[in-house]
Amino acid sequence: LAKTTQPISMDSYEGQEVNITCSHNNIATNDYITWYQQFPSQGPRFIIQGYKTKVTNEVASLFIPADRKSSTLSLPRVSLSDTAVYYCLVGFMDTGRRALTFGSGTRLQVQP
Amino acid sequence: DARVTQTPRHKVTEMGQEVTMRCQPILGHNTVFWYRQTMMQGLELLAYFRNRAPLDDSGMPKDRFSAEMPDATLATLKIQPSEPRDSAVYFCASGLGRTGTDTQYFGPGTRLTVL
Repeated sequence: LAKTTQPISMDSYEGQEVNITCSHNNIATNDYITWYQQFPSQGPRFIIQGYKTKVTNEVASLFIPADRKSSTLSLPRVSLSDTAVYYCLVGFMDTGRRALTFGSGTRLQVQP
Repeated sequence: DARVTQTPRHKVTEMGQEVTMRCQPILGHNTVFWYRQTMMQGLELLAYFRNRAPLDDSGMPKDRFSAEMPDATLATLKIQPSEPRDSAVYFCASGLGRTGTDTQYFGPGTRLTVL
């Protein structure tokens, strides 16, 4: 079972780059890595997904080293509105429940 | 902008009463998920369906919870009888069910309080 480990919380200031690392030592060959963001009183929202190397979209970048045992979500120039909980998920849709385990997430607090 | 809708948004009930929560997945999505979120346990997967068939409901207390998809546009989660420990936010999500690259789209949740 590909369990994930993330820091419980992180603090940052507006305008800074934030990197949140997720460890997944038992990642399987077919597993994808997906990150979600959750604001208070809302459901999680998909941010980014990747399999290897680097993925970038308009919101974030995802860095995955060659061994894929960890991944880093990078948020460029955060603002107060990026204050949220960030979850890392590892799995492959056909693995069912394993791909749908959210874990504890990382609570990011952005200060002015 | 297609969204998952859930009703009701808030529900307060007394212990022993039946509770039914409804979810309308995004049109065209063939996978539906039910989650429960509490401060203590975080986000827990209760059950999920693909093409209206239950694939996994091992996260649900079988004696009191049931989940169904009467049709492709409606998913229901029922608790009977409800207990105070069922108080939580229940989220429904839907997805396209594409192997390896599926993205879940979450609804706003139903906040359930059982007194």
